[in-house]
Amino acid sequence: EAQVTQNPRYLITVTGKKLTVTCSQNMNHEYMSWYRQDPGLGLRQIYYSMNVEVTDKGDVPEGYKVSRKEKRNFPLILESPSPNQTSLYFCASSFGGGSNQPQHFGDGTRLSIL
Amino acid sequence: QKEVEQNSGPLSVPEGAIASLNCTYSDRGSQSFFWYRQYSGKSPELIMFIYSNGDKEDGRFTAQLNKASQYVSLLIRDSQPSDSATYLCAVSQAGTALIFGKGTTLSVSS
Repeated sequence: EAQVTQNPRYLITVTGKKLTVTCSQNMNHEYMSWYRQDPGLGLRQIYYSMNVEVTDKGDVPEGYKVSRKEKRNFPLILESPSPNQTSLYFCASSFGGGSNQPQHFGDGTRLSIL
Repeated sequence: QKEVEQNSGPLSVPEGAIASLNCTYSDRGSQSFFWYRQYSGKSPELIMFIYSNGDKEDGRFTAQLNKASQYVSLLIRDSQPSDSATYLCAVSQAGTALIFGKGTTLSVSS
């Protein structure tokens, strides 16, 4: 089954404790992206990657890191999480090396930073 | 800062009516436009996408682009209670980033 898999689905943690949210897709998609969704602010792009070793900042990259060492994986790293990073996070992927194709979304990761 | 704007709603329509959702975008060079549906607590799912070369119809859904006025619309014919959700408009920015509107909540009453 074609899918984008995020882990964990839910996480409650404390300020300053490094965490990684994994994202993996099995569709051989070139483009991958991370979003956060907050009430009243909608979906905002954090980082995107157009292919292996190619990443770029979206609208709200502060406090986040990403890497794209393999085509299928695109982890989101919070080096020193803070309460303002409490949010619902989505990973997505699409065919082709840009954002011109429809994106497939993972099921989301709900992060709470205390 | 490129922007995509949607009326937050709620847009309320009776079952069987036509629901019309609109989205305006600021980047005149945008060429790819997407409509996603999102149920509460779920991930966005693609409804329609169009490119700058024309409108598109798929079953009960029609997506239309007005490049001169820089807006995209989604028409839902014969609206059903199951169409009640938040509809997100997204616009590709130079084929790299993807900008989403904040979404319009649609409520279809039976």
